[in-house]
Parts: sequence; structure tokens; C-alpha cells
Amino acid sequence: DVKVTQSSRYLVKRTGEKVFLECVQDMDHENMFWYRQDPGLGLRLIYFSYDVKMKEKGDIPEGYSVSREKKERFSLILESASTNQTSMYLCASSLGHQETQYFGPGTRLLVL
Amino acid sequence: AQTVTQSQPEMSVQEAETVTLSCTYDTSESDYYLFWYKQPPSRQMILVIRQEAYKQQNATENRFSVNFQKAAKSFSLKISDSQLGDAAMYFCAYKEGHNDMRFGAGTRLTVKP
Repeated sequence: DVKVTQSSRYLVKRTGEKVFLECVQDMDHENMFWYRQDPGLGLRLIYFSYDVKMKEKGDIPEGYSVSREKKERFSLILESASTNQTSMYLCASSLGHQETQYFGPGTRLLVL
Repeated sequence: AQTVTQSQPEMSVQEAETVTLSCTYDTSESDYYLFWYKQPPSRQMILVIRQEAYKQQNATENRFSVNFQKAAKSFSLKISDSQLGDAAMYFCAYKEGHNDMRFGAGTRLTVKP
């Protein structure tokens, strides 16, 4: 089975802090994704990566950056956390462009 | 950009009964993929069922089946013999080529014992 893990289930940070969310997949998937999930809005894509050291902006990249130094790991960085970044963050991976995406358990981030 | 609409924010069903969740999407493409994902409370989102647009036959996975109406751009999910473990948020999603996967806003399903 595909396993996607995220470094934290719950996180509380203060406004202005730099926040790192880590995601690791163990199935040698090419593609990795970061979404945020908000009630009534579904999932919105922040960034994605189709290869190591490669990244592409999604729908809502402002205030975020990403890093993919190794194939299995995709990090989401909030350079200076703000209260409007309080949300559930979901990481996903897939083998190919048309393939099913497999999700991690999510990180619920609260920015105070 | 393609949009996915789930018009039912909440649905409820009696245990052992059947429920249908609605999903419509907007696209001008003919080749794409559609998905239903399930997100149980405080648990990981998992794939329920997947449909390739070029296949006319509706996908089925045990108690879960879809009604795919390509011309109407409709992709509903039917859950038969509902169980308490089916209670979850259900998300409909659309994917075409190299474009991003698009998700609906979700439908929260409650199963009553």
C-alpha cells in the first residue's frame, strides 16, 4: 500500500513564525502535491512538484514556498505565518499525471 | 478552469439504505478522469472510485457505484446498503491531462443507526 506521512497532525504557531510542514511518500512516486482544505471550499492546490528540485505554483501559492530535494520528500514552508493561513494542509502523491492521488493524514495548523 | 460542483453540503441516510451524492463538472475536454474520495472524521482521505471518461461503463467498487453521464457532465456516487463506517466527507474530483486535479466543496454524509 502507498503510504504518505506528514510530520505533524496538529501544529500551533504564532503570527510571523516560519513554519515547515514535511511530507514523505514511500512508493517512489514522481508527483507530489500540497493542498489546503477549508470548509465549503474543498481542496485548493498550493504547489506541486513533478520531479526532484522542480516545483510549480498551484491556485493559491501566495505566502507559501516549497522544497523538493529528494524524490520522497516534499516540504511546504510558510515564510511568515499569518492568521489567514490557519487551515488543514494535505499532502498527496501520485505515480503519473493521470494516476490516483494518495493523501497523507493532514496537518491542522492554527496560527495565533 | 474546470469547475466541480457538489450541490449537497450535507446528506443523511439510514443504515442499510441507499444514498446518492451528486457531482457536476464543467469541461470542454473529452478525455479526463473523475474520482470520488472519502475523508472519514480525523482520518486519511482515500479513493473510493475512479472513472475514465472514455469508458462508457459505470465504475463499481463493492457497495459503491457511479452514474456517469458524460453529455450531462454529471458524476454521481451511489452507496448501497449504507454502513456506519460510510459516514464521512465525500469529495468529487476531476483531472484532465497535465492540469491540476479539481475538487468539489464536499458533501458531509451522516449515517443514522
